[in-house]
This record gives sequence, structure tokens and C-alpha cells, in this order.
Amino acid sequence: GEDVEQSLFLSVREGDSSVINCTYTDSSSTYLYWYKQEPGAGLQLLTYIFSNMDMKQDQRLTVLLNKKDKHLSLRIADTQTGDSAIYFCAERGGFKTIFGAGTRLFVKA
Amino acid sequence: EAGVAQSPRYKIIEKRQSVAFWCNPISGHATLYWYQQILGQGPKLLIQFQNNGVVDDSQLPKDRFSAERLKGVDSTLKIQPAKLEDSAVYLCASSLVRGTGELFFGEGSRLTVL
Repeated sequence: GEDVEQSLFLSVREGDSSVINCTYTDSSSTYLYWYKQEPGAGLQLLTYIFSNMDMKQDQRLTVLLNKKDKHLSLRIADTQTGDSAIYFCAERGGFKTIFGAGTRLFVKA
Repeated sequence: EAGVAQSPRYKIIEKRQSVAFWCNPISGHATLYWYQQILGQGPKLLIQFQNNGVVDDSQLPKDRFSAERLKGVDSTLKIQPAKLEDSAVYLCASSLVRGTGELFFGEGSRLTVL
């Protein structure tokens, strides 16, 4: 079945760039997403990329998609303490959205 | 625009008791989802409705979980009887039928089964 994998933890210093990686198995994915979850809250969409794109940039966020390797990454430039949260990679093929286990980002001041 | 509303936010019950969660999606969103998020894991889809019909309930433990969306708007998720392993956050989400597939999540209902 479909699966989404990502590393569980990432720690960076404030002002550095953060790169969160994800691999997925469903080659028919049409959209790939990054959601952010802050403590005690539901998930909120951060950004998404359509499967026929290689890259998408949105202010401090850069999403890279390598469809051949089924690899997705999220780069956050100039990481701030407010970026500390759990980041979920997700893919959608058909009607279903499958989530990874989430990467907890720690930002040290 | 009002977001997805869920209640209760927190519930503590003993095993073998029953519990019900309620969700009110964003107005105009035909698709509604219930996800289970166990601590340290990503959300797992339990059931997906489009209007008041079930699109996918393949991961719903039907011997103890049930869900309904009778008028195509609000939904309830029930667990009876609860087990210890049902301790989790139950997230409701809604989306438009067409578009980017963005899910709009509520804040979740945290269940603790003792």
C-alpha cells in the first residue's frame, strides 16, 4: 500500500536553514503537501506541489520534488523559533491523503 | 470564515465505556474525514465521507467504531466499547470536492482510555 516516510527529528540554530526530507511510494500521487502542526492544534497546510513540478518557492519556503526517486523536501530559510513544530509530509493519489509520521523541528535560539 | 469545529476537546473514559465525538466542517465542504493520530505518529484515515455517503472506511475498526453524517453536514464518530489502544487525538477535517485537495483540520478531540 501507499507509504510516506520521514525522519523524526531535526534540530537547527535560529537563522540557519532547515531541510526536512520525505520519501513516498505511490507513483500516481497528484499532489504532495507539507502540513505544520503546533502543540495542541490541528494540522495546517504550509505549502503543496503538483506532481508535474520540480520546485516551488513561497517566501522562506522551498519545496523540491524528485519524482524519479519519489523524494520530497522542504527547505525553510532563516529558521525562526516560531518555526518549531511538527512538519508532516503527505501525498494524495486518487481521493485519499496519506501522511508521514512527522518531523519534529527544534529551533535553538 | 469559521473553521472546522470539534467537540469535546478532551475526554477521559475507562476501557469498555463508550464515547462520541462531533464535527462541524467548513460550510460548503462536501468531503469530511476522520483521522486518528496516536502520539508520535501521523494521522491515519479512519473514514471519509462525500456528502452523506462513505467514500472510504477501509481502516475503520467496524467492530467498535462507527461514524455517520446523516444530513451531509455534521458528523459523529462513536467508539463502543473503548480499548486502551484507542487513546489518541481524533481529528476531523474537511475539503472541497475539487481543487488542490487541501484538508482543513479542526483542533482535535483528545481521548484517554484508562
